[in-house]
Amino acid sequence: DAGVTQSPTHLIKTRGQQVTLRCSPKSGHDTVSWYQQALGQGPQFIFQYYEEEERQRGNFPDRFSGHQFPNYSSELNVNALLLGDSALYLCASSLLPSSGNTIYFGEGSWLTVV
Amino acid sequence: DAKTTQPNSMESNEEEPVHLPCNHSTISGTDYIHWYRQLPSQGPEYVIHGLTSNVNNRMASLAIAEDRKSSTLILHRATLRDAAVYYCILAGYGNKLVFGAGTILRVKS
Repeated sequence: DAGVTQSPTHLIKTRGQQVTLRCSPKSGHDTVSWYQQALGQGPQFIFQYYEEEERQRGNFPDRFSGHQFPNYSSELNVNALLLGDSALYLCASSLLPSSGNTIYFGEGSWLTVV
Repeated sequence: DAKTTQPNSMESNEEEPVHLPCNHSTISGTDYIHWYRQLPSQGPEYVIHGLTSNVNNRMASLAIAEDRKSSTLILHRATLRDAAVYYCILAGYGNKLVFGAGTILRVKS
């Protein structure tokens, strides 16, 4: 049973560019959330997708956008990259956006903006 | 978002039990208490979660106070592989996790 998988694992982008990160949820899960983790800090919630719609959003600018596909996989897009966007981006999945359900995280995508 | 308070760091000896405390005085009736741990350069790993009753699984036990304003994660026999940052999180509407700074657990051999 595959867990949450993310790609790419590492990437380097130049300030002002755009980036797309991808996530496949754990088998049987239909809800995907994205988190940003800066070095030395805890993960911060970006947004959550369920039934192909953004259900909740954290305190992140519109430069951060996402998408969920019919097979429940998801993409995170970041436009006009800033140096401060350098972080570990984590994808998490669960069955339904219900607070009692277990959430599983992927290993993350390391983004470096230069 | 309801907040949790954890000690910055704790230390334990290998093979001994570890009790990691968490205070969450503003918890609402529908918030679940989740615990995750994270090793350097890895994604958070699910440990355990519960609502009101104490919970046990193969990794740990979760003891929840009767008033639900605090909880304790119990690792029954710490190993070197348990050294990590442990996060206590309240998950409310939509299962959004709000991470704090967590507790750095160091295990001595």
